[in-house]
Amino acid sequence: DSGVTQTPKHLITATGQRVTLRCSPRSGDLSVYWYQQSLDQGLQFLIQYYNGEERAKGNILERFSAQQFPDLHSELNLSSLELGDSALYFCASSQTYPYNEQFFGPGTRLTVL
Amino acid sequence: AQKVTQAQTEISVVEKEDVTLDCVYETRDTTYYLFWYKQPPSGELVFLIRRNSFDEQNEISGRYSWNFQKSTSSFNFTITASQVVDSAVYFCALSEGLKAAGNKLTFGGGTRVLVKP
Repeated sequence: DSGVTQTPKHLITATGQRVTLRCSPRSGDLSVYWYQQSLDQGLQFLIQYYNGEERAKGNILERFSAQQFPDLHSELNLSSLELGDSALYFCASSQTYPYNEQFFGPGTRLTVL
Repeated sequence: AQKVTQAQTEISVVEKEDVTLDCVYETRDTTYYLFWYKQPPSGELVFLIRRNSFDEQNEISGRYSWNFQKSTSSFNFTITASQVVDSAVYFCALSEGLKAAGNKLTFGGGTRVLVKP
C-alpha cells in the first residue's frame, strides 16, 4: 500500500459526460501528480500541483482540469468525454526536495461508452 | 526534451532464469533522477528504486540489481533467479532537475516480463 488513495476505482460513463476523480496524497506529501495510462499513449504526465498551486502541465487536454485543495487532496475533472478518454488515471504524490520518488495510487479505470 | 526508451516490449523466461531489462534515456540536464517502477497484473505502480545522476554506484537489493552508466545513458535492471511473482510490466522513468516541488516523470514504454513456472 503506497499510502495514496484514489476514488472511484472504476468509472463507466457515456460520451459527452463529465466525471471527477479524487486523490488523497500520502501524509506529509505536498506534491500531487496526475498521469494517464492508455494502450496507445502509454504513461503520460498530465498535471502537477504543489501545496495548492499548479506547478507543471503536460499533455492535458483543455477539456480536463484539476485542482488541489487546502487539505492537499486533489481532483481531476474530465468533461465532454470521448471514447478516446478511456484509460487508467493515476495520481501520485511525492515528498519535497531532495526526494523525488513518486508513490502512486491504485488508479481509476475510466471507461467511456 | 527528455526521453526514455525501453527497446524490449516483452521478455519471457522460465523460473530461476535471470532477466535483464534495458533502459536508455535522453536528457539535456546534468542533474536528474532515474527510476524503476513495477506494474503487476493488479494494475498498481510500485516504486522500486531511485538513482541520482551524480551517483553512478550500482545497487543490489535482494534479487534485484541496477546498473547505471552515464557514459551510455543507460539504467538497466536485472532480476536474478526470477520467480513467477516477478511477472509484471516494468517501467523505467526519468525526472529532470532538482526542484523543491519535485518534477514530472517521463516513462518508457515498459517491458512486460512473463516468468513461466
